[in-house]
Amino acid sequence: GNSVTQMEGPVTLSEEAFLTINCTYTATGYPSLFWYVQYPGEGLQLLLKATKADDKGSNKGFEATYRKETTSFHLEKGSVQVSDSAVYFCALSGNQLTFGKGTKLSVIP
Amino acid sequence: DTAVSQTPKYLVTQMGNDKSIKCEQNLGHDTMYWYKQDSKKFLKIMFSYNNKELIINETVPNRFSPKSPDKAHLNLHINSLELGDSAVYFCASSQDKGRGYRGAFFGQGTRLTVV
Repeated sequence: GNSVTQMEGPVTLSEEAFLTINCTYTATGYPSLFWYVQYPGEGLQLLLKATKADDKGSNKGFEATYRKETTSFHLEKGSVQVSDSAVYFCALSGNQLTFGKGTKLSVIP
Repeated sequence: DTAVSQTPKYLVTQMGNDKSIKCEQNLGHDTMYWYKQDSKKFLKIMFSYNNKELIINETVPNRFSPKSPDKAHLNLHINSLELGDSAVYFCASSQDKGRGYRGAFFGQGTRLTVV
């Protein structure tokens, strides 16, 4: 069945540091891939998505590229801010959305 | 103008009680979901409905029963609540038949605490 593996957290970075959160997946067919963000006390928000191989999703300075050859969809941001502190979930589509376990990011001033 | 709204946001109740969580979406989507998020933030799908029909029913106790009166609403009823039911429950919707490939929109969550 489908599965998503994310890097374990928590991740703590200083403001303006570079962020990478690794995500790899196992799936049959050609799923779409997503990153969701959950700010404290809130629901999940769709951050970005990619629907086919080599697509790059981007939003709010975050980027992720759909790599079929490595079955990966790593999330990156060049310069994080304190307001980026949240839990980030990688997900893929199939008959349902399958989520990774989430990675908690804390950005300190 | 909230896209996916759930009520209540917080629910504290005693073991053995029966409770319901309501969800409504005003996006015109054809598919709605219930997810459970445990204390470690792990998200697990419970149910998925497409146009009022159940299409995904993961392994959850039959004490949990979803009800979809129309395609804009998907309520979750829980009988005989147990301590292990304590979690955050998220409703979501998407415009696709059970596939999330366009992305799902989530409600704010209902934090259920069973004491």
